Amino acid sequence: NAGVMQNPRHLVRRRGQEARLRCSPMKGHSHVYWYRQLPEEGLKFMVYLQKENIIDESGMPKERFSAEFPKEGPSILRIQQVVRGDSAAYFCASSPAPGQYEQYFGPGTRLTVT
Amino acid sequence: GENVEQHPSTLSVQEGDSAVIKCTYSDSASNYFPWYKQELGKGPQLIIDIRSNVGEKKDQRIAVTLNKTAKHFSLHITETQPEDSAVYFCAASDPGRRALTFGSGTRLQVQP
Repeated sequence: NAGVMQNPRHLVRRRGQEARLRCSPMKGHSHVYWYRQLPEEGLKFMVYLQKENIIDESGMPKERFSAEFPKEGPSILRIQQVVRGDSAAYFCASSPAPGQYEQYFGPGTRLTVT
Repeated sequence: GENVEQHPSTLSVQEGDSAVIKCTYSDSASNYFPWYKQELGKGPQLIIDIRSNVGEKKDQRIAVTLNKTAKHFSLHITETQPEDSAVYFCAASDPGRRALTFGSGTRLQVQP
């Protein structure tokens, strides 16, 4: 069974460019979560999605950040006009269904903004 | 919102000793408490979890205890091995939100 997959694993962007991070949940999982981890810190919740629905985006910055989980294909976290403060590891997690709390994490995408 | 505090931030033990990491949470509605192990350059790995209707759960060398009244929960690792060296995170969530609120992490070093 393949776990949660994320790509790219490493991404370098110049200030002002766009970053697109992809996440494919575990097979059979319909819930996706995105978290951000700054160096030497814990993970911070950003957004929770089901297919074609954003359920909770209370942790998303109000500007430049967006997320989607289309009917077909991976979930995408998009960061427009990146700034140095966006440099972090971005992790995606998936869980099976409502009522099942376990979240399984992918390997993360490490974004570096130069 | 939920706030999770975790102690200690670093912990060094000799191989074979026990290690204990403690967390407190603020939201009495939280009812799910997982623990994750993160190795360098990797994603967090779920190692054990506990729900609020259970006081203790054990899986081989790992156990978690929960005190809902005091709003704290702990991870116990017995007979530690060098491969247990990693950063450990506690987390909490409530049934309404599903989002996990993480502690700040504990860096465990097991000395051979």
